[in-house]
Amino acid sequence: QQPVQSPQAVILREGEDAVINCSSSKALYSVHWYRQKHGEAPVFLMILLKGGEQKGHDKISASFNEKKQQSSLYLTASQLSYSGTYFCGTEMAGGSYIPTFGRGTSLIVHP
Amino acid sequence: EAGVAQSPRYKIIEKRQSVAFWCNPISGHATLYWYQQILGQGPKLLIQFQNNGVVDDSQLPKDRFSAERLKGVDSTLKIQPAKLEDSAVYLCASSLPRGSDTQYFGPGTRLTVL
Repeated sequence: QQPVQSPQAVILREGEDAVINCSSSKALYSVHWYRQKHGEAPVFLMILLKGGEQKGHDKISASFNEKKQQSSLYLTASQLSYSGTYFCGTEMAGGSYIPTFGRGTSLIVHP
Repeated sequence: EAGVAQSPRYKIIEKRQSVAFWCNPISGHATLYWYQQILGQGPKLLIQFQNNGVVDDSQLPKDRFSAERLKGVDSTLKIQPAKLEDSAVYLCASSLPRGSDTQYFGPGTRLTVL
């Protein structure tokens, strides 16, 4: 079951904040977040396991609401280097760790 | 630490021809994934290996796609015969076999079917 990401696209100015959401209709075990720049492979950002924990590094953080079966990625004080497409990958609770990716959210940061 | 290696990086073929992609995962990573990423979409899992056994291949079009991972290290994905809709980037990723874990992606192979 493919997770649903929103919004599809975000355009920001440097220094502004953004939130990207990822939701599933099924109970989740984990949510992975990746960023992919044009023509490059996806790069891992962080993983959240069920338990409602919030993780982050630098000015990018994420939360996982197990009850709502959704995760949000928070980008604070956006930098030009944040531009790219953000994907969430989910694994179902009780599953065998088979990942399913959303369609992605395109983030463009302007100077 | 060397990353995931893939070859070739680009391939252009005509429909009905065959093509093969190669992937060498990060040393020590028992889990290997092949994804198909069509332009503008997220990666779609084709097949997942744990060592040399298949964990999931439910989305692999088995009438034309095949994959193997002999000796539990590198892997080959083949398409025979190719169709126009197979044009995509084929990504290989690997991870440690600790359940849900970080996947490290290779640079991908961009396939164009004419």
